[in-house]
Amino acid sequence: QSVLTQPPSVSGAPGQRVTISCTGSSSNIGAGYDVHWYQQLPGTAPKLLIYGNSNRPSGVPDRFSGSKSGTSASLAITGLQAEDEADYYCQSYDSSLSGSRVVFGGGTKLTVL
Amino acid sequence: QLQLQESGPGLVKPSETLSLTCTVSGGSISSSSYYWGWIRQPPGKGLEWIGSIYYSGSTYYNPSLKSRVTISVDTSKNQFSLKLSSVTAADTAVYYCASLSIAVAGAHFQHWGQGTLVTVSS
Repeated sequence: QSVLTQPPSVSGAPGQRVTISCTGSSSNIGAGYDVHWYQQLPGTAPKLLIYGNSNRPSGVPDRFSGSKSGTSASLAITGLQAEDEADYYCQSYDSSLSGSRVVFGGGTKLTVL
Repeated sequence: QLQLQESGPGLVKPSETLSLTCTVSGGSISSSSYYWGWIRQPPGKGLEWIGSIYYSGSTYYNPSLKSRVTISVDTSKNQFSLKLSSVTAADTAVYYCASLSIAVAGAHFQHWGQGTLVTVSS
């Protein structure tokens, strides 16, 4: 069971907007730690998509955007394209009595209909 | 642009030690800009952070794996390594190495290796 909770799957038609949620707690997102997002195309390594809650690395289209509020974060993809079909993971940092660690969400599979 | 490449055996026997090396090119592993990390992904499952290291040798491990993990760095070879002891079938996964960019409120994995599949089986 992942520390950060994501929906297992989302879908949308080409051109539509989809959002992927990432829910944490007071020991990670709610504690003020940044949320980052990765895109993993089939058979490839994850690729950084959003860092520091809402920043896009060079080369990432502005169709991808991130936000954070309270103990949750969201990734939004507008103008959905077939090439966006992939797994998406959120990542943050968790600090509790059991120790400190980098944590990932369980991943969300995006299907472009 | 930093590039990372994992190397090591693709098959490890149960109870033995898994050993992988990550070679960094396009930049120095002694750069103050990055930490270096290992992440794994069991077949069909999600990502799990294993641990990270700074070029000075400071290490940070996932508490759930800490008793079995050792990460080390060799600045002369621009490499860092992972050792995972007493492996079982549950350690079968694709293992990734990555650069870790540290900020005030956390850290993110900026550059990733292509990953290497390690299977634990007799």
